[in-house]
Amino acid sequence: KAGVTQTPRYLIKTRGQQVTLSCSPISGHRSVSWYQQTPGQGLQFLFEYFSETQRNKGNFPGRFSGRQFSNSRSEMNVSTLELGDSALYLCASSLSSSKSTDTQYFGPGTRLTVL
Amino acid sequence: AQSVAQPEDQVNVAEGNPLTVKCTYSVSGNPYLFWYVQYPNRGLQFLLKYITGDNLVKGSYGFEAEFNKSQTSFHLKKPSALVSDSALYFCAVRAPNNAGNMLTFGGGTRLMVKP
Repeated sequence: KAGVTQTPRYLIKTRGQQVTLSCSPISGHRSVSWYQQTPGQGLQFLFEYFSETQRNKGNFPGRFSGRQFSNSRSEMNVSTLELGDSALYLCASSLSSSKSTDTQYFGPGTRLTVL
Repeated sequence: AQSVAQPEDQVNVAEGNPLTVKCTYSVSGNPYLFWYVQYPNRGLQFLLKYITGDNLVKGSYGFEAEFNKSQTSFHLKKPSALVSDSALYFCAVRAPNNAGNMLTFGGGTRLMVKP
């Protein structure tokens, strides 16, 4: 089975722009979560989607949003980019959302640099 | 709210020696605990998890972890370290009453294995 894929792998944007990142989960996985990784704040949970519905949301401003499509693929969007948004954005998928014992499997991430 | 502490930013060990990477957690109820490893410019790779049952959990690449409820710890161990084990290790916790799959991560421990 193919793993979690994320596109693009690298992205450079300037302040004020917006960006969309894409994630394709492992085949059969229906839950997709997004995390932000920075040297200062570590790994922080952004949000989780299941069956096209956002189920959990982390403590991030409204500039960060996401969605999930009927094929479980997910996108996240960051509007009005700030320098502090520079980070590695990781997507993770798991089989279901009803069992919190499920393992999350991570993609390689998208490295976003905001200039 | 749950939290994870990895008290050592870096652990140095000689190849062939046993290694331990420490993790303590705080969560309401019985925790679900995970270990992930991250190599440079890569996403997180799942190593092992504790859900219930035997306190000693065996995972990938010869790693194991011991759940200690009284000490709220979940230390990662390996009997004989390899140079290729050098990477960033993350401990994570999920509360059992979580409706979804959100993970709370520790700050990470860099493992350096020297030949």
